[in-house]
Amino acid sequence: LAKTTQPISMDSYEGQEVNITCSHNNIATNDYITWYQQFPSQGPRFIIQGYKTKVTNEVASLFIPADRKSSTLSLPRVSLSDTAVYYCLVGAPGSGGYNKLIFGAGTRLAVHP
Amino acid sequence: EAQVTQNPRYLITVTGKKLTVTCSQNMNHEYMSWYRQDPGLGLRQIYYSMNVEVTDKGDVPEGYKVSRKEKRNFPLILESPSPNQTSLYFCASWGDLRGEQYFGPGTRLTVT
Repeated sequence: LAKTTQPISMDSYEGQEVNITCSHNNIATNDYITWYQQFPSQGPRFIIQGYKTKVTNEVASLFIPADRKSSTLSLPRVSLSDTAVYYCLVGAPGSGGYNKLIFGAGTRLAVHP
Repeated sequence: EAQVTQNPRYLITVTGKKLTVTCSQNMNHEYMSWYRQDPGLGLRQIYYSMNVEVTDKGDVPEGYKVSRKEKRNFPLILESPSPNQTSLYFCASWGDLRGEQYFGPGTRLTVT
């Protein structure tokens, strides 16, 4: 399983764009990159997943450079409700290792008025 | 509505008294997993299951048992709970090979 490194915490203000970068230097060829969001006392919620280049959905974008050794979750125009912990996970779908997911410490994002 | 349910949501018990936390999903997912979350330690996987009657240990399986007799249910069993098992527990399921996991609401367990 690829080890991931994220900033422990970040601060932002309402209306700003937030970019959270995750490092995964030993990512394997078959590994996908997945981001989850967790609010206090709730289970994590899937945000976005990608393999390479850029993926966008209704809540976020995921940028993955050609070497795939890092990825950046981009949250456009954050609001107070985006205050949460964000986890980056790396693994290969369908493999035993992917089923055994490691969440890590995540990035605690605080959005201020 | 697609969901993962857990029961009970809150439980206070005493050391050594066997307990079961139930988990059920209505999405016909093959994969299910249990996590515990503790302050400063993040989410740690306890056990996971790839299908009925197929389970495997996660990172912190000691003191826990699981069973998968039906596809929709994946109960977590603590045969002899101890205070160090006081934690917030989450059940998750997923069916797509890309692994988007759906989490339950959590069970807060206190063992005194």
